[in-house]
Amino acid sequence: DTAVSQTPKYLVTQMGNDKSIKCEQNLGHDTMYWYKQDSKKFLKIMFSYNNKELIINETVPNRFSPKSPDKAHLNLHINSLELGDSAVYFCASSQGRDIEQFFGPGTRLTVL
Amino acid sequence: GNSVTQMEGPVTLSEEAFLTINCTYTATGYPSLFWYVQYPGEGLQLLLKATKADDKGSNKGFEATYRKETTSFHLEKGSVQVSDSAVYFCALYNAGNMLTFGGGTRLMVKP
Repeated sequence: DTAVSQTPKYLVTQMGNDKSIKCEQNLGHDTMYWYKQDSKKFLKIMFSYNNKELIINETVPNRFSPKSPDKAHLNLHINSLELGDSAVYFCASSQGRDIEQFFGPGTRLTVL
Repeated sequence: GNSVTQMEGPVTLSEEAFLTINCTYTATGYPSLFWYVQYPGEGLQLLLKATKADDKGSNKGFEATYRKETTSFHLEKGSVQVSDSAVYFCALYNAGNMLTFGGGTRLMVKP
C-alpha cells in the first residue's frame, strides 16, 4: 500500500525525445508537487497542483508540462529532452495547506 | 525571499559518535521548519518538524530546536548508527504551499 508512487523508476532516453513520468497518491490528498533533484542533491520545486489546478510554477521551461487528470494523479511530460534535464524527479503530496508533504521514491532520468 | 543553508558534507562519523548538522534560514514571517532524510535509492521522508519558536522536534533519537533569535534549526543525535547513513535536508515552509530546501548533507557512519 504505497502512499505516493511514481513510474518509471529509471528512464534513459536520447536528447530531443519526449517522455512522461507518472505519479499517483492514495492518501486522499488534494495537493501534489513535482521536485527536481540535481546531481549535487539540490532539491527544487517545479510545480504544485491543488484540486487539479496549477498553483505554483517555478520558472520551469515550457518544455515541461504537468497534467493532473484527477486529484490522485499528477503526471509530468517533458518535450525535446536536453542533457541538463538529467536528474531525479520527485513527486509529493499534501492535504491542502498542511505543511507535511509525502514524497514518492523518485524517477531517475538520464538524457544521453 | 526564503533560503536555507546547511553545512556541506559529507560528514563522516564512527558509530556511537555525536552528530550535529547545522542549518540556518532566512525567511519573512514565522516559517515552520523541518528535517527530511533520504536513504540511498529512496525518496525523502519527514524526520521531524517544529512549527514555532522554541519548539523542539524529535524522532528516532534525532532532535532539533527552532531558534528564532539565531534563525537556526540544527539537527543533533547523541549516538549515531550505521543505519543513519543518509542525506539530510533542512527545509522551511512559508506561505503558499512551498517547501524551500537546503542543499542536503550526506552523513556516513562507519562501524
